[in-house]
Amino acid sequence: AQSVTQLDSQVPVFEEAPVELRCNYSSSVSVYLFWYVQYPNQGLQLLLKYLSGSTLVKGINGFEAEFNKSQTSFHLRKPSVHISDTAEYFCAVSLYSTLTFGKGTMLLVSP
Amino acid sequence: GAGVSQTPSNKVTEKGKYVELRCDPISGHTALYWYRQSLGQGPEFLIYFQGTGAADDSGLPNDRFFAVRPEGSVSTLKIQRTERGDSAVYLCASSLRGERGGSTDTQYFGPGTRLTVL
Repeated sequence: AQSVTQLDSQVPVFEEAPVELRCNYSSSVSVYLFWYVQYPNQGLQLLLKYLSGSTLVKGINGFEAEFNKSQTSFHLRKPSVHISDTAEYFCAVSLYSTLTFGKGTMLLVSP
Repeated sequence: GAGVSQTPSNKVTEKGKYVELRCDPISGHTALYWYRQSLGQGPEFLIYFQGTGAADDSGLPNDRFFAVRPEGSVSTLKIQRTERGDSAVYLCASSLRGERGGSTDTQYFGPGTRLTVL
């Protein structure tokens, strides 16, 4: 079975500062990795996904993530955040067709 | 085009009652998923359909939960004898095909149905 750990439940940050949201996973086999974002009162939206190939994945809204197999991590980064990035971010893994999610990290961007 | 829609957006019911939650997937998507998101938690898988059949229902918590997709498009999640612990946001997602053995498909999520059991 696979599992996902998001180490931070909340990350407060000032506008235009860089941010990293951490995600670690455990799985006995290779999996696909995803980051989803949930804006207030909206559904989950895919930010980016790692399937294979280059370990640095670029997504929408300036986000990127790096797959590190040895550390079983898939941390999400953005060099300069905006107020509009305030949302909950979920890391997920897929072995078969279903997704296993972490508990989420609330990114709070203040001016 | 239209995304995944779910109705109702909110449902309040009393303990012991029966509820149905509906999901309309994106047209042409053969795979449909139900997840449940409790407060402070990430979504948890309930059931996955490939076409009309349930390919994986291992996430259904007990036999009070049942889901159907009779024509391979709209799906209904049915909960009998609701309990207060069933209160959560029920999310539906669809993807173009879905495959066992590893899926690269993006799942597109609906806005969810917030179920409150009093």
